[in-house]
Amino acid sequence: DTGVSQNPRHKITKRGQNVTFRCDPISEHNRLYWYRQTLGQGPEFLTYFQNEAQLEKSRLLSDRFSAERPKGSFSTLEIQRTEQGDSAMYLCASSLALQGGEKLFFGSGTQLSVL
Amino acid sequence: AQTVTQSQPEMSVQEAETVTLSCTYDTSESNYYLFWYKQPPSRQMILVIRQEAYKQQNATENRFSVNFQKAAKSFSLKISDSQLGDTAMYFCAFSNYGGSQGNLIFGKGTKLSVKP
Repeated sequence: DTGVSQNPRHKITKRGQNVTFRCDPISEHNRLYWYRQTLGQGPEFLTYFQNEAQLEKSRLLSDRFSAERPKGSFSTLEIQRTEQGDSAMYLCASSLALQGGEKLFFGSGTQLSVL
Repeated sequence: AQTVTQSQPEMSVQEAETVTLSCTYDTSESNYYLFWYKQPPSRQMILVIRQEAYKQQNATENRFSVNFQKAAKSFSLKISDSQLGDTAMYFCAFSNYGGSQGNLIFGKGTKLSVKP
C-alpha cells in the first residue's frame, strides 16, 4: 500500500493554458474524490467517482473543469483556459466504501500557480 | 445548506498539556457524520476522529477525544498530552448520512502549534 499518489506536486502555468493533474488511488479503493483548497480555507468538494462512474459533478467550479476515471483506477482532473483564480491546491482522496462507513485517504495534492 | 465554523484561526499549547479546538455546524438533518482532520506541513490530510450523530457516546482515539453536543451543534476536539508532532492545521468537517461520506464540508481550520 503506497497511499494516494498525485502528480505533479507543483504546476506553474500561464493564464489561458490547459492543465491536467493525475491521481492514483490506493489500489483496492472504489471511490475517488477531488477537492480544491485555496489559501486559508478548508478543502472544497468538486466531484467523485465510484469505480468509473462519476456520481457527482454539479460542484465542479465551471465548465472549464472536467474529470475522468476511465477504467476505475487512476483519475485525471483537467482545467481548460486557466485563470489566475484557479491557483490553489488540488487534492485527491480515495476510499473503500463498505456498509457502515468509509474512510478517506488523501494524497499530498498538486499545487497550481497560474501566472 | 450545511455550514461548518471554526472560530479559532490559531492556537498554541505547551508540550504535554491539553488543548481544545472548537467547531460549530449548522444542518437541518438529524443523522450525519462529523470529522476532525489534521493537515501537517506535508499537506496530506489525515483523519483524526469520526463521530456519528446518532451515537450519543463521544468518540475517542488514543489522545484525541471529542465533545459532541448535538442540540448545540457543537463538536470540539480535545488533544491530551500534546506532542510536537501534533503541530498542524486541524479541520472540522461534516457529511450527510447515507450516500457518499466523502462529500465533506470543511471549516476554515485552526492552526495548532505545540511548543517545547
